Amino acid sequence: GESVGLHLPTLSVQEGDNSIINCAYSNSASDYFIWYKQESGKGPQFIIDIRSNMDKRQGQRVTVLLNKTVKHLSLQIAATQPGDSAVYFCAERSKGGGNKLTFGTGTQLKVEL
Amino acid sequence: DVKVTQSSRYLVKRTGEKVFLECVQDMDHENMFWYRQDPGLGLRLIYFSYDVKMKEKGDIPEGYSVSREKKERFSLILESASTNQTSMYLCGWGRDRDGYTFGSGTRLTVV
Repeated sequence: GESVGLHLPTLSVQEGDNSIINCAYSNSASDYFIWYKQESGKGPQFIIDIRSNMDKRQGQRVTVLLNKTVKHLSLQIAATQPGDSAVYFCAERSKGGGNKLTFGTGTQLKVEL
Repeated sequence: DVKVTQSSRYLVKRTGEKVFLECVQDMDHENMFWYRQDPGLGLRLIYFSYDVKMKEKGDIPEGYSVSREKKERFSLILESASTNQTSMYLCGWGRDRDGYTFGSGTRLTVV
């Protein structure tokens, strides 16, 4: 079946550094991707999304890059702050799959002071 | 912003009990869904609803059913709870132009 996976289960960065969280997907029919942040005890919070007709999208301190050639998605967080510590998930939606999302297993981001 | 409310943050139920998890959204959106979240497995789709009285099975519907009698409310039902249904349950609504919004989750423990 289709899968969405993450390269690293845990990522540790120093405060102020940039963070890069990676995600591989296998469904070439996916047309929409989302990154979520989940803090302990809370539901996933939408961060940023990107459609398959784009290769880059920027938000406030975050950038999502999409490489369809190698089916790779990344989330870049600039000037990482302690409040960025959380689990980050990527999710994909397939064309013809309705509005159902398939999630990766998540990456724990730890920000060290 | 649309707010999604899940009726309980923590629940403890006994094996064999019938369990209802409620989810309410405060806008008139058609799409609602239920996921469960387990360590190492991420979020897995249980059921999806496109509109009132409409439902579609997700990836792991076994042992679950759903009810959507009103547009704002989507209920997940465990007909006979089992210990392997101990999990975090997340409800939400979604459409791609607005992203997908989740509630805070219900942590269910079946003993």
